[in-house]
Amino acid sequence: ETGVTQTPRHLVMGMTNKKSLKCEQHLGHNAMYWYKQSAKKPLELMFVYNFKEQTENNSVPSRFSPECPNSSHLFLHLHTLQPEDSALYLCASSLLSTGGSGYGYTFGSGTRLTVV
Amino acid sequence: AQKVTQAQTEISVVEKEDVTLDCVYETRDTTYYLFWYKQPPSGELVFLIRRNSFDEQNEISGRYSWNFQKSTSSFNFTITASQVVDSAVYFCALSEGGANSKLTFGKGITLSVRP
Repeated sequence: ETGVTQTPRHLVMGMTNKKSLKCEQHLGHNAMYWYKQSAKKPLELMFVYNFKEQTENNSVPSRFSPECPNSSHLFLHLHTLQPEDSALYLCASSLLSTGGSGYGYTFGSGTRLTVV
Repeated sequence: AQKVTQAQTEISVVEKEDVTLDCVYETRDTTYYLFWYKQPPSGELVFLIRRNSFDEQNEISGRYSWNFQKSTSSFNFTITASQVVDSAVYFCALSEGGANSKLTFGKGITLSVRP
């Protein structure tokens, strides 16, 4: 248990489905992040939230829609995905809204997503 | 702009061998932080170590040791007497010291330790 919990651990969805990934932390952190990890590719930062406000969107397609209702919860809503969106989606949190800045991130175990 | 290079992509060793994972970084800041994370097959990234730019003292933690050299902008990680459980992907990461700084990861090194 890392302190950051992601559900589900595995998800298979069709291209016309709508699903959501959930991330939860009770570490008292104020910043939360979504990363995408595809096979043979580096970690890609998708979204950054500081104190529930989105502060970064790295040109992520609109079929990925994040939601952060409070500092402890982060969602990633998925709709009309493509097979190339299949990847491991990792959630992370950090203490300060300034992100890394010495504190590093605590990661969840990820959701392994397969789009068929 | 900050950058982390892990030139090695895959390393395979036999159990009990020592192995060094290389990390080279680029930054214009004088204050920055370096990290190593381990990603076992289960998926989560596990924090191993954090180093700030003002502390060049090498660190040893059990079978793990880290060699930080500002002169060569390197932060290498050595596993002594490797074990099968060390098999994982290892990421080096860098964060600059300013506000809104984020963690920049290298591409990762896949380490396989064979019995």
